[in-house]
This record gives sequence, structure tokens and C-alpha cells, in this order.
Amino acid sequence: GAGVSQTPSNKVTEKGKYVELRCDPISGHTALYWYRQSLGQGPEFLIYFQGTGAADDSGLPNDRFFAVRPEGSVSTLKIQRTERGDSAVYLCASSSLYSGAEQYFGPGTRLTVT
Amino acid sequence: AQTVTQSQPEMSVQEAETVTLSCTYDTSESDYYLFWYKQPPSRQMILVIRQEAYKQQNATENRFSVNFQKAAKSFSLKISDSQLGDAAMYFCAYRSRINNTDKLIFGTGTRLQVFP
Repeated sequence: GAGVSQTPSNKVTEKGKYVELRCDPISGHTALYWYRQSLGQGPEFLIYFQGTGAADDSGLPNDRFFAVRPEGSVSTLKIQRTERGDSAVYLCASSSLYSGAEQYFGPGTRLTVT
Repeated sequence: AQTVTQSQPEMSVQEAETVTLSCTYDTSESDYYLFWYKQPPSRQMILVIRQEAYKQQNATENRFSVNFQKAAKSFSLKISDSQLGDAAMYFCAYRSRINNTDKLIFGTGTRLQVFP
């Protein structure tokens, strides 16, 4: 079956621009997660959705970052007024409700802010 | 707060030999999950093995096994009969589910090189 997909694979934008990153989770997975991975680091948690609502958005670094999941499936991570420090790989993952469920990761979007 | 520490930035192993990657963590929870993920250059995070904290038996998946020491908060990964395809970044991760969250906390990773 299809895994988690993310688009675009790579995004180059100018400082100050707005970007949207899309995540398509595995069909039927109610939980969805966004992580950010800077060069040479492990992924860092950004936000966790259970269904349509954000159950935990404590990892979003500031109010320029926002994520939605309006129908409980596809999610969009939105970054306003991008800064060079936002350059990173943004990973999306999804999982089922089972308590020990594995998080399945997408291939990520590499964002470069010039 | 939970933390995960991987103290080996890089490791290398000869093909067919065995290598052990170290991981320690800190938590006040008694029940939790620990994971090892592999990340090749393609960026795709792939689950290697998982351990449930309430299980005393160490998890095993083919050539991969863990040494889980709950009291010491240690969770090392052993790769037996190493293969060239095992070369990748390996991340240890702790699953936190307190305060209505559900998130993975990752270490900084260990880059594994496999030599023929």
C-alpha cells in the first residue's frame, strides 16, 4: 500500500516569502506528526494531530509556523515570513490509534531559504 | 523533560562483523516505548526495532537486537553480520505520551559506516 507522501520534495524560497508544505498520511491513520530536522541533528517535534485537531503544538518555534488538517487526512504546514534559519528537512509521520503504533515517516521536504 | 543521548557521532564496522550503537535516555515515566530508526541518504526514516519498557525481554528483529537496561536507562542496538546496506544514520527515539501528547524525542544520531 501507499506510504506517507510529502510534496514538494524540495523547496527553495527567498527570505520573507510564504511557503506551504503538504503531507498525505497513510489511509486510515488518525494521528499525524510534523518534525523538523536540521543538518546533523535528529528530528525535532513540531506538532501532533489526532483527527482534525492539534492535540499538541508545543514544538512550533513561533507564530510564523502554523499547521492544519481540516478533514483529518491531508495536513499542510505553513510558514510565513520565512527566515534563513527555517532551512531544514521537514518530516511528516502518521500512525494508527494502537497504543504501541509505529510512526511511519514520509521522505521529507527539504526547505532552503535564501 | 525526557531526553535522549547518543554519544557516538560515528561508528564503523567491517562487513559480517558485529557493532553496537549506544543510547541513553532520561524520563520519569514507568511505561514507555523506545525505538531505533535508520535514515539512509534518501531521508526516509525506517523503523529498525522497538522495545516496550514493561517487557523485560530484549527485542530482536533478525540481525538487529537491543540491550535494554531499564534501571540504567540504556537502550543499545546490536547489529550482527553487518551488511553494506546497513550503512546509514541511526537514531534512538523515546516515545512520550504524557500531558495529552504523542511524540518521538530523538537523539542526535550515529553515522554507521560499513567497510567491505
